[in-house]
Amino acid sequence: GQNIDQPTEMTATEGAIVQINCTYQTSGFNGLFWYQQHAGEAPTFLSYNVLDGLEEKGRFSSFLSRSKGYSYLLLKELQMKDSASYLCAGRSNDYKLSFGAGTTVTVRA
Amino acid sequence: DGGITQSPKYLFRKEGQNVTLSCEQNLNHDAMYWYRQDPGQGLRLIYYSQIVNDFQKGDIAEGYSVSREKKESFPLTVTSAQKNPTAFYLCASSIDLGGRGTDTQYFGPGTRLTVL
Repeated sequence: GQNIDQPTEMTATEGAIVQINCTYQTSGFNGLFWYQQHAGEAPTFLSYNVLDGLEEKGRFSSFLSRSKGYSYLLLKELQMKDSASYLCAGRSNDYKLSFGAGTTVTVRA
Repeated sequence: DGGITQSPKYLFRKEGQNVTLSCEQNLNHDAMYWYRQDPGQGLRLIYYSQIVNDFQKGDIAEGYSVSREKKESFPLTVTSAQKNPTAFYLCASSIDLGGRGTDTQYFGPGTRLTVL
């Protein structure tokens, strides 16, 4: 398994940029996932990184540094609908996912 | 429409009763998973199944049981032995267990179980 650490809460203004950091400690690393979860709903897949570097998908980007055990999710041009919890999950060599507790992002007008 | 369904969305049970949560997928995925989510904690894996008629315990399997008689279905029974069953239960599926590419897990809408 893995220990996943991410901040509990973040607040930002509509149109701004927010970066959610995630650190992990693993006995065997096999990929890093980010999910978005609105209150009371299912998590939805946002991004996957297994190699070092930045993956960009529209307004959302995800970065991974395996040597540092570190990832971040970057949300640009924030919209009110981006208010949600963002889950960082590490996959280990036995293919199981370990989830962080989630970062609740609140977007204010 | 392909997807994962869980029913019911809300479930209330008396303490000491067993309850079964359903999970069905029509994505033709081999692997299926059950997680529970509690406030302030990450999702925790209860059971997972790679193929029909096979399943493995996750990190918190005590007090739970599953079956996988069909590829599409992976029901979870919360037994009276589970000490703190009130939680949000999420079912997920993926193409397979993760041996190829991303094999992303996709989640159902969840069942919120409250034990009174």
